[in-house]
Amino acid sequence: DAGVTQSPTHLIKTRGQQVTLRCSPISGHKSVSWYQQVLGQGPQFIFQYYEKEERGRGNFPDRFSARQFPNYSSELNVNALLLGDSALYLCASSSRLAGANTGELFFGEGSRLTVL
Amino acid sequence: QQQVKQSPQSLIVQKGGISIINCAYENTAFDYFPWYQQFPGKGPALLIAIRPDVSEKKEGRFTISFNKSAKQFSLHIMDSQPGDSATYFCAASSHGSGNTGKLIFGQGTTLQVKP
Repeated sequence: DAGVTQSPTHLIKTRGQQVTLRCSPISGHKSVSWYQQVLGQGPQFIFQYYEKEERGRGNFPDRFSARQFPNYSSELNVNALLLGDSALYLCASSSRLAGANTGELFFGEGSRLTVL
Repeated sequence: QQQVKQSPQSLIVQKGGISIINCAYENTAFDYFPWYQQFPGKGPALLIAIRPDVSEKKEGRFTISFNKSAKQFSLHIMDSQPGDSATYFCAASSHGSGNTGKLIFGQGTTLQVKP
């Protein structure tokens, strides 16, 4: 079975541009979470979507937005990119809303964003 | 209060030795403490997890020790192998009302096991 898939794997943008990252969860999983991992640090929670509704948001500015589609895939959008947005963006899926509490959270390999 | 502090930042261990990574937290609402392993170019993968109703959990060569009163927990890797070389993250979450189960991660420990 396919795991969590993310695209693109790598991308380079310039300051002020906008980026869209995509995630396909494990088949049957209805929850998708997004995390930002800056080099040398642990992942930081950005959003969680469950059944196409936003169910949690981390401490990130409004430049960050996301949505979940009827097939449970998800997109993360970041507007007006800053140099500090350079990071690995991880998508994680789970079958339940509280998947992180039950050991059911599965991460993709991430999208590495470089902002110049 | 939402922080999880992890140490050391990096660790070098000889093959066959014991690797020990420590984490501390402040939020007493945390009730789930997983450890994740991350290899270069990969996403984090769940290694082992514990809940505060037990003081120790062992799975193969990996053991979590949990001290609720001190608000600390640690990962012990027995008989460390070169294949264990990776970055390890502790994390915590709470399952309170309305909580989504988001994980709060530590800063990570880069482990190198020398042959």
